[in-house]
Amino acid sequence: ELKVEQNPLFLSMQEGKNYTIYCNYSTTSDRLYWYRQDPGKSLESLFVLLSNGAVKQEGRLMASLDTKARLSTLHITAAVHDLSATYFCAVAVSGGGSNYKLTFGKGTLLTVNP
Amino acid sequence: DGGITQSPKYLFRKEGQNVTLSCEQNLNHDAMYWYRQDPGQGLRLIYYSQIVNDFQKGDIAEGYSVSREKKESFPLTVTSAQKNPTAFYLCATRQTGTYEQYFGPGTRLTVT
Repeated sequence: ELKVEQNPLFLSMQEGKNYTIYCNYSTTSDRLYWYRQDPGKSLESLFVLLSNGAVKQEGRLMASLDTKARLSTLHITAAVHDLSATYFCAVAVSGGGSNYKLTFGKGTLLTVNP
Repeated sequence: DGGITQSPKYLFRKEGQNVTLSCEQNLNHDAMYWYRQDPGQGLRLIYYSQIVNDFQKGDIAEGYSVSREKKESFPLTVTSAQKNPTAFYLCATRQTGTYEQYFGPGTRLTVT
């Protein structure tokens, strides 16, 4: 059974600081997703990482994937209050044929304080 | 106006009643998914469907049923057999050959 572990689960940081969220998973996969969720809202796609060594950046967020270590990171640079949200990683596993399903981590609740 | 609609946004039911959650999409996507989210938890897959008239169980299918009679629609029925039905339910879609899953706005179900 695929397990996806995120840490930390709770992160309180000051504006302007840097930090990294980690996502470890237990079985082979070459596709990893990062999502953002605001309170009471649905999920917003941030990044899709498709291969070993993939790195993607959008604004103050940068995600990377190491499939050999089964590890993805989401790095936050110079945090601002608007980044406060819950961040999920999700790992894709084949459901047969061209289908696949996602297994999610429990999420990291990020609070950025002034 | 393209996208995924889930209705209603909030749903209240008494214990022992079946309830059906709606998911409709006009993105022309082939695959559709149902997830459940509990407070402080990630999403867990209930059912998914790659094509019309075909669907597979996810990780927590017990107490749920689905149908896929039309490409645009993938309703989820929460039956009285589901022991803890109170949760936030999210529908998602994906186009075959692509990697992105797009999520609907969700339905918050409360059963008392």
